[in-house]
Amino acid sequence: DVKVTQSSRYLVKRTGEKVFLECVQDMDHENMFWYRQDPGLGLRLIYFSYDVKMKEKGDIPEGYSVSREKKERFSLILESASTNQTSMYLCASTPGLAGTYEQYFGPGTRLTVT
Amino acid sequence: DAKTTQPPSMDCAEGRAANLPCNHSTISGNEYVYWYRQIHSQGPQYIIHGLKNNETNEMASLIITEDRKSSTLILPHATLRDTAVYYCIVRVRGGAQKLVFGQGTRLTINP
Repeated sequence: DVKVTQSSRYLVKRTGEKVFLECVQDMDHENMFWYRQDPGLGLRLIYFSYDVKMKEKGDIPEGYSVSREKKERFSLILESASTNQTSMYLCASTPGLAGTYEQYFGPGTRLTVT
Repeated sequence: DAKTTQPPSMDCAEGRAANLPCNHSTISGNEYVYWYRQIHSQGPQYIIHGLKNNETNEMASLIITEDRKSSTLILPHATLRDTAVYYCIVRVRGGAQKLVFGQGTRLTINP
């Protein structure tokens, strides 16, 4: 079974702090994604990566950056956390550039910024 | 991407088959039907996908009509743990594509 893990299930941070969210997948997938999910707004793509050290902006990249130094690990960084970044953050992975639409998700990190 | 229409909510008794419909009348020839679900406070979970033939896996069966304008996801013996929001998506296959959910169907399994 594909396993996608995220570093924390719940996180509380203060405004202005730098926040690191880490995602690890164990199936050698090329593509990894970071989404946020908010009530009424659905899933929104922040960034994705199709290979080590490669990244592409999604729909809402402002205030975020990412890092992919190893194939299995994709980190999301909030440079200076703000209250409007309080959300559920979801990491996903999927195999292959010419691959498929079956995305495998981690359990999510519920981040609260106070 | 073709638009999908699902009922906003459904109920099913535990142990019975849950049949979740999805309409996708504008589906094009190279678009697949995918189903995901999201249990409360968890990440979405891929269930099954198909092009035109019926598909079955350990979680569910997918029945696609011959004209491909609608489909039904079947959970053969629903349990309380199947209570979730179920999303039907129509997409072409390939590439690193973002996932976009519609409103989905909130399925409640009753004891």
